[in-house]
Amino acid sequence: EDQVTQSPEALRLQEGESSSLNCSYTVSGLRGLFWYRQDPGKGPEFLFTLYSAGEEKEKERLKATLTKKESFLHITAPKPEDSATYLCAVLPSSSASKIIFGSGTRLSIRP
Amino acid sequence: NAGVTQTPKFRILKIGQSMTLQCTQDMNHNYMYWYRQDPGMGLKLIYYSVGAGITDKGEVPNGYNVSRSTTEDFPLRLELAAPSQTSVYFCASNPTGSVEKLFFGSGTQLSVL
Repeated sequence: EDQVTQSPEALRLQEGESSSLNCSYTVSGLRGLFWYRQDPGKGPEFLFTLYSAGEEKEKERLKATLTKKESFLHITAPKPEDSATYLCAVLPSSSASKIIFGSGTRLSIRP
Repeated sequence: NAGVTQTPKFRILKIGQSMTLQCTQDMNHNYMYWYRQDPGMGLKLIYYSVGAGITDKGEVPNGYNVSRSTTEDFPLRLELAAPSQTSVYFCASNPTGSVEKLFFGSGTQLSVL
């Protein structure tokens, strides 16, 4: 069964304290892996798509990486405005459109 | 530039009542989706559509119905509401499905009491 697991469930960091969020996945084949950011009371907002192992993408303080079994979202010197829930999702090769979401990591950055 | 618009934002239903959650997008996207998000959980796909007149079931379709008569609109119908349908509902769209990113609406928070 296709599955996406994110860890930790919640993470509290001090401003400037770098860390990583993990997304492990089990799929028969991967067409794409997505990272989204979700603020309270809002819909998810797209961050990155990764397609193959070894690929990396960056946006401001965020960097996403991909291996054959997992993806990491690295946050460098975070600021309080980076506080949000970060969702990982995968599109299996067996599916045309059925994206599978993980349960997310709630990130809180203290000033 | 509205994007994906959902109405209403909040709704309280009594058990057994019915309602329609509205979703419209102005980006001329062919693919549209309905997800539900329970507290502390990821998004679960309810139904999706690849174009006007074509819909298909997702992971959790029971208790819901959809229709897609136009490219812009993709309403979600709840028949005989149950407490298990208490959730936040998100509509999303993208141009050609597959590995394209999703554009989400702001959600509808539904409580069934």
